[in-house]
Amino acid sequence: AQKVTQAQTEISVVEKEDVTLDCVYETRDTTYYLFWYKQPPSGELVFLIRRNSFDEQNEISGRYSWNFQKSTSSFNFTITASQVVDSAVYFCALSDHAGKSTFGDGTTLTVKP
Amino acid sequence: EAQVTQNPRYLITVTGKKLTVTCSQNMNHEYMSWYRQDPGLGLRQIYYSMNVEVTDKGDVPEGYKVSRKEKRNFPLILESPSPNQTSLYFCASTFSHRGPNTGELFFGEGSRLTVL
Repeated sequence: AQKVTQAQTEISVVEKEDVTLDCVYETRDTTYYLFWYKQPPSGELVFLIRRNSFDEQNEISGRYSWNFQKSTSSFNFTITASQVVDSAVYFCALSDHAGKSTFGDGTTLTVKP
Repeated sequence: EAQVTQNPRYLITVTGKKLTVTCSQNMNHEYMSWYRQDPGLGLRQIYYSMNVEVTDKGDVPEGYKVSRKEKRNFPLILESPSPNQTSLYFCASTFSHRGPNTGELFFGEGSRLTVL
């Protein structure tokens, strides 16, 4: 069975602070896919990033960056210089090659002005 | 416009009255999936379909049925709804869920179901 743990239920920061959202996963598969999705207060789910298990290269996209470490089964997400518009629930997800996807419980990020 | 469309968006029903939530995508995606979202529990997969006529159980399939007769449609059926099925339901699709072609999910806007 696969599992995704987002230990931080809620995080509150002040605008312009950096914030890291943690994600730890469990799987027996050697090939798997990791994702981050954003759910703003309006409720829709928005894809942020996909990472394959065989590609540990970190990625940066503007103020967003992701740190994938297989050795610790972690796929952490950092927002640099946070903004109020970053306030949302963020989900980490794990997919196998057979169709199953597992989401973490989500981290609610509140960025205060 | 590429999209995943769910209907109804909101529904209040009573225990035992069969209902169907429809899901349709116009992106020719192979893979479709249903999730329910409950406070503090994230999204939990109900059923998924790798292609037409192929469906499999997710983590919480009890009380639900699905069918995939056409590539674009993946309805979720609650034969005898109960109050514990009150939830926010999301349908999602992606081009493929096979190996390196596994892609990101495109989600519908959600269907909020209340069972009294």
